[in-house]
Amino acid sequence: GAVVSQHPSWVICKSGTSVKIECRSLDFQATTMFWYRQFPKQSLMLMATSNEGSKATYEQGVEKDKFLINHASLTLSTLTVTSAHPEDSSFYICSARDQGYSSYNEQFFGPGTRLTVL
Amino acid sequence: AQSVTQPDIHITVSEGASLELRCNYSYGATPYLFWYVQSPGQGLQLLLKYFSGDTLVQGIKGFEAEFKRSQSSFNLRKPSVHWSDAAEYFCAVGATVSGGYNKLIFGAGTRLAVHP
Repeated sequence: GAVVSQHPSWVICKSGTSVKIECRSLDFQATTMFWYRQFPKQSLMLMATSNEGSKATYEQGVEKDKFLINHASLTLSTLTVTSAHPEDSSFYICSARDQGYSSYNEQFFGPGTRLTVL
Repeated sequence: AQSVTQPDIHITVSEGASLELRCNYSYGATPYLFWYVQSPGQGLQLLLKYFSGDTLVQGIKGFEAEFKRSQSSFNLRKPSVHWSDAAEYFCAVGATVSGGYNKLIFGAGTRLAVHP
């Protein structure tokens, strides 16, 4: 149980284009999903927290107009990188929290999406 | 402010040797503490967690961690390391922030290499 998937697992795009990454909870309902960014050999940095049916909460320094997050259902959240540039190249990881799970803070992580912007 | 420190960026051990990865946290209330492992190009897998109760926590793959409130530490241990344990290890604290929602704060990670 508690499986989170991401699609695509990797994507290469041209500078100036937009890319959408999907995060799905496969066997549970997630009221809250999180989006992280990880640079090579570095830790995970939280970008934003999305709650189903409401606007995402962005961390300080994260451009909300550039990183659009939509959490339209209890099993799906999407991250759209708009007008991508080479500096947006990174490993993006999502996680989800099971609304029915007793462990208040536990998050289940997806396998990540490698974005390369040329 | 909440924070997590993993003092060791890189550790190398021989297969079969014991392992201890250090983690110190800064958090005002009773912390929720986690250890995750990440293989190259992969997401994170939860090894173990501490919420309350027994301060020695058993996890998967033979790992354990001990919560020491007096030292603000949550060190990860394994008595005998296997070559497949080579990976990146992250300690994290669950924090409740303004607005009532909660998030994970990660340490910088410790990269473990295992020599045959």
